[in-house]
Amino acid sequence: AQSVSQHNHHVILSEAASLELGCNYSYGGTVNLFWYVQYPGQHLQLLLKYFSGDPLVKGIKGFEAEFIKSKFSFNLRKPSVQWSDTAEYFCAVTINQAGTALIFGKGTTLSVSS
Amino acid sequence: GAVVSQHPSWVICKSGTSVKIECRSLDFQATTMFWYRQFPKQSLMLMATSNEGSKATYEQGVEKDKFLINHASLTLSTLTVTSAHPEDSSFYICSARFDRGPTYEQYFGPGTRLTVT
Repeated sequence: AQSVSQHNHHVILSEAASLELGCNYSYGGTVNLFWYVQYPGQHLQLLLKYFSGDPLVKGIKGFEAEFIKSKFSFNLRKPSVQWSDTAEYFCAVTINQAGTALIFGKGTTLSVSS
Repeated sequence: GAVVSQHPSWVICKSGTSVKIECRSLDFQATTMFWYRQFPKQSLMLMATSNEGSKATYEQGVEKDKFLINHASLTLSTLTVTSAHPEDSSFYICSARFDRGPTYEQYFGPGTRLTVT
């Protein structure tokens, strides 16, 4: 079965530090990749997505992610985090078929201290 | 932007009763909606895929007779937890698929906290 692994369970950073959250998936075919964020008490919001084309995708709030097909990875990055980035981050994939649901990783909690 | 609402946001019910949760796409039509369950400090687990006008597709291990899903219109899907028991207490989240050209996205509702006493 397809799965998504997020290796960092809890990341603690100071403001202005750089961020990289790992995400790996297990599926040999074509996938679509997503990063979602869940701020405390709020619903999931889409940060960015990759379907095809440039493997470096830019999302909202200064986040970006790079798809490396050979490594089955889609790591999330931000050069300088802010206190307001404190949240839960979820990597997710869909198999490239219509209507397929998201398969989520277990999530990474990011805590940013000011 | 695309907005998905859920109602109610929280509900407490007695064991043995049924509870209905509504999921609405407010500003777009969604032929496909999804229902997830989220346990504390854990990720979202897909329960079922709901397609407008047809039967829902349930994930392995999810009892279709217990979790009834109805997607009667392009903007509304409902999840009914029948004969609820304390182990059904959880956070239920729906999402709706939004087609954006050659790609698509899922927009999530705020979730419904169900507590069965």
